Amino acid sequence: TQLLEQSPQFLSIQEGENLTVYCNSSSVFSSLQWYRQEPGEGPVLLVTVVTGGEVKKLKRLTFQFGDARKDSSLHITAAQPGDTGLYLCAGSFMIKAAGNKLTFGGGTRVLVKP
Amino acid sequence: EAQVTQNPRYLITVTGKKLTVTCSQNMNHEYMSWYRQDPGLGLRQIYYSMNVEVTDKGDVPEGYKVSRKEKRNFPLILESPSPNQTSLYFCASSFWGEDAEAFFGQGTRLTVV
Repeated sequence: TQLLEQSPQFLSIQEGENLTVYCNSSSVFSSLQWYRQEPGEGPVLLVTVVTGGEVKKLKRLTFQFGDARKDSSLHITAAQPGDTGLYLCAGSFMIKAAGNKLTFGGGTRVLVKP
Repeated sequence: EAQVTQNPRYLITVTGKKLTVTCSQNMNHEYMSWYRQDPGLGLRQIYYSMNVEVTDKGDVPEGYKVSRKEKRNFPLILESPSPNQTSLYFCASSFWGEDAEAFFGQGTRLTVV
């Protein structure tokens, strides 16, 4: 059973369009991270959000942490082919405060066509 | 260059033949872990280690063993591989802390026939 649900699983859009990926759980996160993974590589951290309601921007990427710290979203504005990849959210749960155990969502595969 | 190095990158083996996947990090991280990645399931943690000689089970530990004799190395051992262990495996390391960045290796694609 996935503790973190990501949606959609797959997204195909044209260059220049916007997209949003969602990450939801019934549990409260102590922090949440977004990673991006390209074929043949390991995931690479994009951002960490810690405070409920927090919004972080990374160029055309906007990350939001829900007020209740149970959900998060990643919004890409004017997507480019270079944004193609697998996007993974990963949460640290308060009950797991003893360590760095990250629980990952199932991932959203994004394809941006030129 | 800061990195996590896994070997081998690709491995095809037969059922029951013991194998070891090595993982080494050069960032002096305390925390290391192994994940397997399967389509639609994201990354699931197999084992983790909080420091030398301290290891514990993750979410899917059955069929795997690990050891942490040195801080930089964290090998994954499959004593008797089975076809359901065919997967993409990642080693990761980080400093201590709930929001610490995890650094991943490039992955090991294992096929058990």
